[in-house]
Amino acid sequence: SQELEQSPQSLIVQEGKNLTINCTSSKTLYGLYWYKQKYGEGLIFLMMLQKGGEEKSHEKITAKLDEKKQQSSLHITASQPSHAGIYLCGADINTGFQKLVFGTGTRLLVSP
Amino acid sequence: DGGITQSPKYLFRKEGQNVTLSCEQNLNHDAMYWYRQDPGQGLRLIYYSQIVNDFQKGDIAEGYSVSREKKESFPLTVTSAQKNPTAFYLCASEGQGREQYFGPGTRLTVT
Repeated sequence: SQELEQSPQSLIVQEGKNLTINCTSSKTLYGLYWYKQKYGEGLIFLMMLQKGGEEKSHEKITAKLDEKKQQSSLHITASQPSHAGIYLCGADINTGFQKLVFGTGTRLLVSP
Repeated sequence: DGGITQSPKYLFRKEGQNVTLSCEQNLNHDAMYWYRQDPGQGLRLIYYSQIVNDFQKGDIAEGYSVSREKKESFPLTVTSAQKNPTAFYLCASEGQGREQYFGPGTRLTVT
């Protein structure tokens, strides 16, 4: 079973529309990290959330971590073609093993 | 510019040959990681190293080997024992907040 579930798996939105991607775990998220990946390229670090209720923004992208620290959302306002790509969440779920677990990603297409 | 470099971007090998993927970072990070990415499976951890001269197996270490002789370098060798080596390989190093910074990746094709 996947320790981090992302939804939706894929998303097509019209340019200018808003969208939300979710990342959910059954375990406490001690650190939640959002990344963006263009096909065939490495992951670009977007934001890190560590405290329950925390919210961060960068340009038109806002990420939140819920109070229970089991779910995070990534919200894009007024989407643009440059937002297209794969968004992945990674998390420290405190397995006692120094590693992050990653979701399988959400593929975003922005249509003109 | 600080960052992580991986080379080459594309690599082709014949079955039965070992191949080494390069990963270099100038971020002065102690911890480094190797992942494999396959369609629909997300990132899977192969090996990681918290400090020079030390490394640990990840979830799918079989058929792979690493070394960490210098802080800046963490090469990955894909051996002939790896049954399905064709994949996209990503190297990362870890910042102070445990965020990971990734290289551009190497796509390995074995025929």
